[in-house]
Amino acid sequence: GAGVSQTPSNKVTEKGKYVELRCDPISGHTALYWYRQSLGQGPEFLIYFQGTGAADDSGLPNDRFFAVRPEGSVSTLKIQRTERGDSAVYLCASSLGAPGGPLGYEQFFGPGTRLTVL
Amino acid sequence: GQSLEQPSEVTAVEGAIVQINCTYQTSGFYGLSWYQQHDGGAPTFLSYNALDGLEETGRFSSFLSRSDSYGYLLLQELQMKDSASYFCAVRGTDNYGQNFVFGPGTRLSVLP
Repeated sequence: GAGVSQTPSNKVTEKGKYVELRCDPISGHTALYWYRQSLGQGPEFLIYFQGTGAADDSGLPNDRFFAVRPEGSVSTLKIQRTERGDSAVYLCASSLGAPGGPLGYEQFFGPGTRLTVL
Repeated sequence: GQSLEQPSEVTAVEGAIVQINCTYQTSGFYGLSWYQQHDGGAPTFLSYNALDGLEETGRFSSFLSRSDSYGYLLLQELQMKDSASYFCAVRGTDNYGQNFVFGPGTRLSVLP
C-alpha cells in the first residue's frame, strides 16, 4: 500500500511569506505527527493529532505555526510570516494507533518537505 | 522534560558488530524506539523496547534497562548499506510535549 506522502517536496519562500505544507498519512492511521529536522539533528516534535483533534501541540515553537486535520486524514501545517530560522525539513509521520496503545509505537514517516526561507 | 544522549559518530568495517548506546532522562516512560535514516531519506522504524531485555529482529537487536535509563542498538554482520544515522526515541507517558522525543542521532560509517 501507499506510504505517507508529503507535498511539496521542496519549498523556497521569502522571509515574511505564508506557506502550507501537506501530509497524506497511511489510510486508516489515526495518529499523525509533525516534526522538523535540521541538518545533523534528530527530528523535533511539533504537534500530534489523534483523529481530527490536536492532542498535543506543545512543540509548536510560536503562534506563527498552526496545523489542522479537519477530516482525520490529510493534515496541513501552516507557517505565517516565515523567518530564516524556519528553514528545515518538515517531516510528517503516522501510526495505526495512539502512542499510549499497543499500535502506536511504530511511526511511519513521509519523505519530508524541505523548506528554505530566503 | 526529556533528554537523550547518543554518541555522535561510530565507524566499523563490513562484517563487524557495532553497538550504539542511548541514555535518557525522562519524567515518564513508555518505551525506547530506534530509527534508521539514510542521507536525504525518511526515518524508518527498526525496533521498540517497552520492557527490560533484548529484542531481536534479524541482524538488528535492541536492549533496554529501565533501571539504568539505558538502551542500545546492536547491528551484526554489518553491510555497507547500514551506513546511516540512527536515532533513539523515547515515548513518554505525559501527553504534553512528551510523546516522542528523538535523540541527536549517531552517524554510522561502515568501511569496506
